[in-house]
Amino acid sequence: AQSVTQLGSHVSVSEGALVLLRCNYSSSVPPYLFWYVQYPNQGLQLLLKYTTGATLVKGINGFEAEFKKSETSFHLTKPSAHMSDAAEYFCAVSLNTNAGKSTFGDGTTLTVKP
Amino acid sequence: DTEVTQTPKHLVMGMTNKKSLKCEQHMGHRAMYWYKQKAKKPPELMFVYSYEKLSINESVPSRFSPECPNSSLLNLHLHALQPEDSALYLCASSQSGAGGPATGELFFGEGSRLTVL
Repeated sequence: AQSVTQLGSHVSVSEGALVLLRCNYSSSVPPYLFWYVQYPNQGLQLLLKYTTGATLVKGINGFEAEFKKSETSFHLTKPSAHMSDAAEYFCAVSLNTNAGKSTFGDGTTLTVKP
Repeated sequence: DTEVTQTPKHLVMGMTNKKSLKCEQHMGHRAMYWYKQKAKKPPELMFVYSYEKLSINESVPSRFSPECPNSSLLNLHLHALQPEDSALYLCASSQSGAGGPATGELFFGEGSRLTVL
């Protein structure tokens, strides 16, 4: 079984500031980890993923995340927020034994202030 | 541009109507999914088709009936829905289904927004 916890349902940053969205997971086997973004009235789009190998992964739109096994975390960061980053962000986990079934966190709404 | 296409984008139906949601992908993916998403909530898995066979049904009421005519198409037939079924219905695909070698990365369509009156 697996689960995901996103700390902070709402995060607000100023344009140009660091974005940090937190995600912790629990998993009985090595997990696959994902961050998805959802803009209003749209589907989810993959930002980045960790499967194996390098623990620092880079994604689209300048986002990156680091897999920390010891902390069971996969936090999402971006050095400088842009207005267009305002959206809903979901962390998700799937297991290598059941890759077809992803578990999503509750989501974090990112607001970017001018 | 999304590679998973859903139609219609919006659907309004009465509780006695029968309607269908359609999804199509041409990425050669062998797993397809239906999710239901309420406002400000994460997607909830409804059904998974793996290699055109239903592999997961998350105890969804029978008023929702999925169908996978071929590896590229996925339908969701709707009948006698309730107002609480109003939501965004998302279709997704991945390289492989449950237990497969893929990583579980999901490719989503833009969704069909359903309103039940």
